[in-house]
Amino acid sequence: DAGVTQSPTHLIKTRGQHVTLRCSPISGHKSVSWYQQVLGQGPQFIFQYYEKEERGRGNFPDRFSARQFPNYSSELNVNALLLGDSALYLCASSFRGRTGDTQYFGPGTRLTVL
Amino acid sequence: AQTVTQSQPEMSVQEAETVTLSCTYDTSESDYYLFWYKQPPSRQMILVIRQEAYKQQNATENRFSVNFQKAAKSFSLKISDSQLGDAAMYFCAYRSALVQFYFGTGTSLTVIP
Repeated sequence: DAGVTQSPTHLIKTRGQHVTLRCSPISGHKSVSWYQQVLGQGPQFIFQYYEKEERGRGNFPDRFSARQFPNYSSELNVNALLLGDSALYLCASSFRGRTGDTQYFGPGTRLTVL
Repeated sequence: AQTVTQSQPEMSVQEAETVTLSCTYDTSESDYYLFWYKQPPSRQMILVIRQEAYKQQNATENRFSVNFQKAAKSFSLKISDSQLGDAAMYFCAYRSALVQFYFGTGTSLTVIP
């Protein structure tokens, strides 16, 4: 079975632009989470979605938004990009998104904001 | 808010030897899960081992085991018979019923041949 996939692999944007990142979960998984990983740091939780509903949100500004589609894939949108948004964005899927569920991570999207 | 602390930014171990990576966390909750994830240079995070807080028995997965001290809020990872493929960044993570994952800052492990 395919693992979590993310697209694009790399992305270069300029300040003020908008970006959309995409994630496809493992088949059968209904929950998707998004993380931001700045170089040299651990991942920071952004969102979790389960069955198209937002289950949790981390301490990120409203410029960050996400949604989950009926096929359980997900998009992360970031508006008005800042230099500080440069990071590796990780998507993780799990079966139900419950506390004990194992999360499986995708390879990430490397976003560079110039 | 919950915090996860990994006090060892870098560690090294001789091939075939044993190494222990430290992790402490802060929480007021009683029900939670703890995880160790490995992130090789290719960047894909891989689950190494997990521990349920309500279980007193320490989790073990082949060469990987944990020392879970709930009262001390400590969750260390022991890697036995270290192999070159174990070289990676290791992240300790905490998750509560509130869904959110909290990750530490990571420990970079080097395996010396």
